[in-house]
Amino acid sequence: QKEVEQNSGPLSVPEGAIASLNCTYSDRGSQSFFWYRQYSGKSPELIMFIYSNGDKEDGRFTAQLNKASQYVSLLIRDSQPSDSATYLCAVNREAAGNKLTFGGGTRVLVKP
Amino acid sequence: GAVVSQHPSRVICKSGTSVKIECRSLDFQATTMFWYRQFPKQSLMLMATSNEGSKATYEQGVEKDKFLINHASLTLSTLTVTSAHPEDSSFYICSARAGAREQYFGPGTRLTVT
Repeated sequence: QKEVEQNSGPLSVPEGAIASLNCTYSDRGSQSFFWYRQYSGKSPELIMFIYSNGDKEDGRFTAQLNKASQYVSLLIRDSQPSDSATYLCAVNREAAGNKLTFGGGTRVLVKP
Repeated sequence: GAVVSQHPSRVICKSGTSVKIECRSLDFQATTMFWYRQFPKQSLMLMATSNEGSKATYEQGVEKDKFLINHASLTLSTLTVTSAHPEDSSFYICSARAGAREQYFGPGTRLTVT
């Protein structure tokens, strides 16, 4: 079992719709969770982080964390073609030296 | 805030030569920086963790004598790829930790070894 798992996609979403991305992790000791967006040929860009159970909203993005079920999700509302990218879920464990463990990424395609 | 720069953005070198990549945190002090490598269509692979004023910690399978890391100040870490070979061609990305947990990535350096 991989430490952080994501569906590779592609997730095809009509423009204006909600894109829903999921991520599961295996280590219950994980404490903080991040979503990065990576455009092709570019480096990852931090878009959301969440540390506590529940929802966290920032603009069109909402991160949801459920530690009991060991999953974290990202919702993108009113999806735009510019949201087409690969979204990386990353998990941090302080006990492991605060290193991030990345999932393989979910490719999102927003179609006009 | 939390801007990380890398230089150069792109470098082509001949096999057997060494290449140095700089990573700077521009608007914050980073006690810890990380170096990653990414091959096409693959996810990020952590190479090493760099702490200011101390030796870097390398991940399993990463040759510390080949990938030299120096973290001389709170805003600068360097990665030197020594005796580069074509198989070292990759996208090298650094990140810096701002605060307790968030990591911000530099724009990356694309290395091509001919």
